[in-house]
Amino acid sequence: AQTVTQSQPEMSVQEAETVTLSCTYDTSESDYYLFWYKQPPSRQMILVIRQEAYKQQNATENRFSVNFQKAAKSFSLKISDSQLGDAAMYFCAYRSARPNAGGTSYGKLTFGQGTILTVHP
Amino acid sequence: GAVVSQHPSRVICKSGTSVKIECRSLDFQATTMFWYRQFPKKSLMLMATSNEGSKATYEQGVEKDKFLINHASLTLSTLTVTSAHPEDSSFYICSAPLPREGPNTEAFFGQGTRLTVV
Repeated sequence: AQTVTQSQPEMSVQEAETVTLSCTYDTSESDYYLFWYKQPPSRQMILVIRQEAYKQQNATENRFSVNFQKAAKSFSLKISDSQLGDAAMYFCAYRSARPNAGGTSYGKLTFGQGTILTVHP
Repeated sequence: GAVVSQHPSRVICKSGTSVKIECRSLDFQATTMFWYRQFPKKSLMLMATSNEGSKATYEQGVEKDKFLINHASLTLSTLTVTSAHPEDSSFYICSAPLPREGPNTEAFFGQGTRLTVV
């Protein structure tokens, strides 16, 4: 079974500064996908960024980027130029590349414990 | 993006009663839906996988008779908490992936349901 670990229960950053959230995972699979989700106070889950394990290049989405180290099984999220709206709980998540038994879908996500990010003005 | 609608957003029920939570995919057909449970400031724990046309698959430790899941159609899955007790109070979230899309596609989440059992 796969496990995802976020060792930082809480992090804080000053507005406009940069912060990095850590995530490690454990799997015996070679092909998989990794995600960072954001959960603001509304509790709606929002996809921040995704990374395919077979790609060496780190994913980037505007102010969000990841540092993916496959050998170390590490997947950290860097938020640049932090904004007040970035304040939320952030979850690292793992998904296998194998479909379900019927082959009709993927989707089962394994989440880390979450990191609460506070942004100070 | 695709929309998943979850209803109700909040519900308060008396201990011993049953509560039904609905999860609908509004603009796509979902052959599979997932139900998660989340305690305050904690992670999302997968409870079960809802499969249209077949029985749900429950995660280890989840009581099948307590949490009844029905995937009645390609756009609707329901979670019924039976004989609810205060310890069932939690935040429940459903999720649906786009069918037949690759594993790198995002999972779409409902807004969640806050259940309080008094």
